[in-house]
Amino acid sequence: AQSVTQPDIHITVSEGASLELRCNYSYGATPYLFWYVQSPGQGLQLLLKYFSGDTLVQGIKGFEAEFKRSQSSFNLRKPSVHWSDAAEYFCAVGPNTGNQFYFGTGTSLTVIP
Amino acid sequence: ETGVTQSPTHLIKTRGQQVTLRCSSQSGHNTVSWYQQALGQGPQFIFQYYREEENGRGNFPPRFSGLQFPNYSSELNVNALELDDSALYLCASSTGQGIPYEQYFGPGTRLTVT
Repeated sequence: AQSVTQPDIHITVSEGASLELRCNYSYGATPYLFWYVQSPGQGLQLLLKYFSGDTLVQGIKGFEAEFKRSQSSFNLRKPSVHWSDAAEYFCAVGPNTGNQFYFGTGTSLTVIP
Repeated sequence: ETGVTQSPTHLIKTRGQQVTLRCSSQSGHNTVSWYQQALGQGPQFIFQYYREEENGRGNFPPRFSGLQFPNYSSELNVNALELDDSALYLCASSTGQGIPYEQYFGPGTRLTVT
């Protein structure tokens, strides 16, 4: 069965520090992978996506993610976090057939001055 | 370009009642998906509509139903509301069944069932 695991429920980092949010997926075929960000009371905004090709993908707001097939992971990174990055982050795996996306339970990011 | 919009923003209903949530898809998008996001959880896929037909359904009971209109806007209807239906309901639109595709989310409707 398809699933997404985000092991870290909550992460706190200092402003300017680096960030890595973990995502592991279970999928029976080549996955399409996404990271979304959700600010309080808002919908989800797409940060980046991986479909094929280069396993290191760049997204908006200075985020990047690396697809590692051997580890079934798609971790999100940012070299220097800004206070405005505080939000909920969701990893999702999308279909290569059908239409159902599967989301992780999210990681809440707090940024301290 | 107009993004995905949803109405209403917030809604309070009583257990046993029925509710209708609305979604206008982004311009040029013909596919709408609905998700339920319970507090502290990730979105759960309810169903998808493509060109006015249901095109896949998640693990939700039949009292969750939907419609898509010729202009590709969509409704989510929930009958016989239960307390556990309290959640943020998200609508996402996309350009169609072509793979790969991206979904663009609306701000959601917060439903509270008392």
